[in-house]
Amino acid sequence: SAVISQKPSRDICQRGTSLTIQCQVDSQVTMMFWYRQQPGQSLTLIATANQGSEATYESGFVIDKFPISRPNLTFSTLTVSNMSPEDSSIYLCSVAKTALGTEAFFGQGTRLTVV
Amino acid sequence: QKEVEQNSGPLSVPEGAIASLNCTYSDRGSQSFFWYRQYSGKSPELIMSIYSNGDKEDGRFTAQLNKASQYVSLLIRDSQPSDSATYLCAVNSSGGSYIPTFGRGTSLIVHP
Repeated sequence: SAVISQKPSRDICQRGTSLTIQCQVDSQVTMMFWYRQQPGQSLTLIATANQGSEATYESGFVIDKFPISRPNLTFSTLTVSNMSPEDSSIYLCSVAKTALGTEAFFGQGTRLTVV
Repeated sequence: QKEVEQNSGPLSVPEGAIASLNCTYSDRGSQSFFWYRQYSGKSPELIMSIYSNGDKEDGRFTAQLNKASQYVSLLIRDSQPSDSATYLCAVNSSGGSYIPTFGRGTSLIVHP
């Protein structure tokens, strides 16, 4: 497994502002993902964070709204930009050691409330 | 569209019973299958992975995979109240991307 540190664990933000969430892993991993989970719902993949290149976004998610950085194999950030109350959710960082369909592990999550 | 289907529940079982959780998937080429447990307010925790047809046992947990029928199940023996959580089935897509697709999860309640 991997030890994943995700910060902040929760935040309350004003609409129109931006929040950057950090994900730090204790070892190098190939795959890093960002998910969103609405209350009572399953996980929705936002994007795959690619080291040294632009993230790969899923349908319905765009870089201007959710810019992602991944400068190395152990760290990534997700920014939620120009927030609205609809962005209130739990955001989760997930990592997989290899790209071969191996297990994925999750950070503790960031509970975001936009007021 | 690759889909993973689970009954949302809740599934209610008495303490000490066997809880059976089921999951079906649409992508016939899927190769890797996982079960996660998620307590309320917490992030998902991996509890089982299975890659080939048949049963895989780990303590009180048994994962079962049937690729021909495209289903995977999780059995929890001697269920405990601490097993009460939402159980998420995840399937790794085929085609080289290996991005897991998650089901909506089944809520399990184990009552004393």
